[in-house]
Amino acid sequence: EIVLTQSPGTLSLSPGERATLSCRASQSVSSTYLAWYQQKPDQAPRLLIYGASSRATGIPDRFSGSGSGTDFTLTISRLEPEDFAVYYCQQYGSSPPYSFGQGTKLEIK
Amino acid sequence: EVQLVESGGGLVPPGGSLRLSCAASGFTFSAYSMNWVRQAPGMGLEWVSYISSGSRTIWYADSVKGRFTVSRGNSKNSLYLQMNSLRAEDTAVYYCARVIVSEGPFYYYHMDVWGKGTTVTVSS
Repeated sequence: EIVLTQSPGTLSLSPGERATLSCRASQSVSSTYLAWYQQKPDQAPRLLIYGASSRATGIPDRFSGSGSGTDFTLTISRLEPEDFAVYYCQQYGSSPPYSFGQGTKLEIK
Repeated sequence: EVQLVESGGGLVPPGGSLRLSCAASGFTFSAYSMNWVRQAPGMGLEWVSYISSGSRTIWYADSVKGRFTVSRGNSKNSLYLQMNSLRAEDTAVYYCARVIVSEGPFYYYHMDVWGKGTTVTVSS
């Protein structure tokens, strides 16, 4: 079973700052099988990044994904007020096919 | 507009059953694999079940295997989750989500469209 560990658990930043969120896998993950989602309170998750680095339709270019193997990163270049939310990484693999990280809460400082 | 709408949630006693539905619109439902994902109160996301476009491939999380059954009716553009022998730990918001299996030569398996969710509460 592949376990995804996200860090930090909570990130406190101000609008305009750069956010760097980490997702570490317990085993190597194919880059095409790594995705990032954003979830705001009382809303469904929204796909941000797939294939580790491809932005989903309609996602602003301040969001970028990178990484390979066991270490993946979501970067938000300049935080906007609407970016404060919880972020999850997700991988597709085997037994079980899907797993999510525990989430990083991005809060306003 | 591409849309997924879940229904069927509610309050059920431990050991009870519930059937969730997910109505799809705005896209060719029969061409897509689908997932159920749940989120317990104040917790993170947990994958529950996967069903391929033609129902040939079905997977379950260990936590629900033997108790939950996923199915779909492509002619009705609908996805279902039959939940039996419910436990308190099944209390959650249940989301259905569309799976992108592949684009061009690459395989992905991410979820690009999500419903708003339906709430299941297991309590006496």
